Amino acid sequence: GAGVSQSPSNKVTEKGKDVELRCDPISGHTALYWYRQSLGQGLEFLIYFQGNSAPDKSGLPSDRFSAERTGGSVSTLTIQRTQQEDSAVYLCASSLERGNTEAFFGQGTRLTVV
Amino acid sequence: KQEVTQIPAALSVPEGENLVLNCSFTDSAIYNLQWFRQDPGKGLTSLLLIQSSQREQTSGRLNASLDKSSGRSTLYIAASQPGDSATYLCAVITTGNTPLVFGKGTRLSVIA
Repeated sequence: GAGVSQSPSNKVTEKGKDVELRCDPISGHTALYWYRQSLGQGLEFLIYFQGNSAPDKSGLPSDRFSAERTGGSVSTLTIQRTQQEDSAVYLCASSLERGNTEAFFGQGTRLTVV
Repeated sequence: KQEVTQIPAALSVPEGENLVLNCSFTDSAIYNLQWFRQDPGKGLTSLLLIQSSQREQTSGRLNASLDKSSGRSTLYIAASQPGDSATYLCAVITTGNTPLVFGKGTRLSVIA
């Protein structure tokens, strides 16, 4: 596609349920990032994929959070046993490669845990 | 650890005014610096990318400068318009295997 696509755009889930958020990066982009943005807050880094290298998971807030990237393209962020503090906008970005290239963001998934 | 600071946190200006947004970073070993715009409830839109070897980039009414050695960047907006109202974020990629690090943004309001 023309840009980074995220789905769903909105997700309401009950506390304790698992959710999966999807990111389709721009075709050919080898770097993929996940961030989250809580209401009125800045962007919090979650995880970063670069090509076939091991992902940088240093930003994942707990072991309830995990992400994978299949075939170097689509990525799924999974949150298990959701909590109310997980409510936020989850943003995905991709770039051609990590270094001197521009990063492009999707429109985000707004997750609400009730 | 790279830290990015943006000043001011919020800014309100009358339409037509020229303005400058500031971004500073603690580690000057960067690959590039990128300015983004975020409208309420939306994702981020890339405005300008400055490579570490560059001093400035221009796009329309926007001009971004980079002084890597002092750890500073500015975003200059000429002849501001109400449509420029948004939050402006800067982010850097530091050499080494690190992700994009963001500042907390400057919330700009341009009053008609």
